[in-house]
Amino acid sequence: GAGVSQSPRYKVAKRGQDVALRCDPISGHVSLFWYQQALGQGPEFLTYFQNEAQLDKSGLPSDRFFAERPEGSVSTLKIQRTQQEDSAVYLCASSPVGTTNTGELFFGEGSRLTVL
Amino acid sequence: QKEVEQDPGPLSVPEGAIVSLNCTYSNSAFQYFMWYRQYSRKGPELLMYTYSSGNKEDGRFTAQVDKSSKYISLFIRDSQPSDSATYLCAMSGSYIPTFGRGTSLIVHP
Repeated sequence: GAGVSQSPRYKVAKRGQDVALRCDPISGHVSLFWYQQALGQGPEFLTYFQNEAQLDKSGLPSDRFFAERPEGSVSTLKIQRTQQEDSAVYLCASSPVGTTNTGELFFGEGSRLTVL
Repeated sequence: QKEVEQDPGPLSVPEGAIVSLNCTYSNSAFQYFMWYRQYSRKGPELLMYTYSSGNKEDGRFTAQVDKSSKYISLFIRDSQPSDSATYLCAMSGSYIPTFGRGTSLIVHP
């Protein structure tokens, strides 16, 4: 596709359920980021991939959060045993360049997670 | 204190006004500065990208960076109702952009 695609756009989960959020970046983009955006806040960094390598996961809030990008293209963010504080929009972004400076990030429209 | 501070607003202006949006930051390592626009229920999109200090102009938009004061600005001339959105500043020293919380701008006809 022409842009970054995320699915599902909306997800409602009961507390304790596991969820998986998918990101399909722009074809050929080396870098892939996940951000979490709470209501009324800016995006907060979660994790960064360069191709299939997860180079930085310092923003993941707990060990319930896990991300992968096994073939250097599609990425999945998994949240286990969801809690109410996990409710947020999860944004995926990709960039055509790698480390030192990733330049412009191209964002998807986000996956809005609501945990009841 | 957050690394990037941005007033959330909302900022309400009449159509045609000059808008000034600002961010301050504390990390001296930041050298890439960006402004993103985010419409409701959409992902952010890049407006302006600046390296180090100085000014950059693109149409109705001007970005300014003052590294000595750790202060960046975005000016919008002849604002339009279609400019109504949240404006996020972002900055990075290497490869992970850090975002401000965004300023909500409302341009009324």
